[in-house]
Amino acid sequence: EVQLVESGGGLVQPGGSLRLSCEASGFAATINYMSWVRQAPGKGLEWVSVIYTGGGTHYADSVRGRFTVSRDIFKNTVFLQMDSLRAEDTALYYCVRGARGPGLRPFDIWGQGTVVTVSS
Amino acid sequence: DIQMTQSPSTLSASVGDRVTITCRASQSVSSWLAWYQQKPGKAPKLLIYDASNLESGVPSRFSGSGSGTELTLTISSLQPDDFATYYCQQYNTYWTFGQGTKVEIK
Repeated sequence: EVQLVESGGGLVQPGGSLRLSCEASGFAATINYMSWVRQAPGKGLEWVSVIYTGGGTHYADSVRGRFTVSRDIFKNTVFLQMDSLRAEDTALYYCVRGARGPGLRPFDIWGQGTVVTVSS
Repeated sequence: DIQMTQSPSTLSASVGDRVTITCRASQSVSSWLAWYQQKPGKAPKLLIYDASNLESGVPSRFSGSGSGTELTLTISSLQPDDFATYYCQQYNTYWTFGQGTKVEIK
């Protein structure tokens, strides 16, 4: 079964750091590109970052310079290192898979999400 | 950045109604648009990709149309399972979501 399982969320103080993990099963996370999408409480969806099949990365303006996406090929796991966290980073963070195909694609597999709360 | 605006923000409808949601882009996204359904407490689910292609397993009452800056999602006959929030997403230039349309029971 194709599945994404996130972990690592929690409560952190403003300015702190957190590292999210996303373990993929049923497919190799290097064949598809992987992204993170977040949803603030009661709000809509916001794309956060992507790691492409070749290892290149890209970030939303709101997190660039503070968040870093990486992966461990052998563990089939993607990570999101979040530094200098702000209250506005509070959200449910989803790990998602980009659908196969040329160019940019929509997200066909979503994890269940992990909650990040930034508060003093 | 490409901005996506959905209308309406909330839609009240009855079972059996034909429902249309519109997504307008700040610049052309060609046909690089997807629609998602999200139910409370659940992750979004991909319904339609490339503006009009139905994802596997999605009921045929869902359809998408349009290209460029105005695209639509239509539910031909609303079913009880369809009451949810719907998001459009462009992937012409990275990824941007619309703000969502909540379809509620009239």
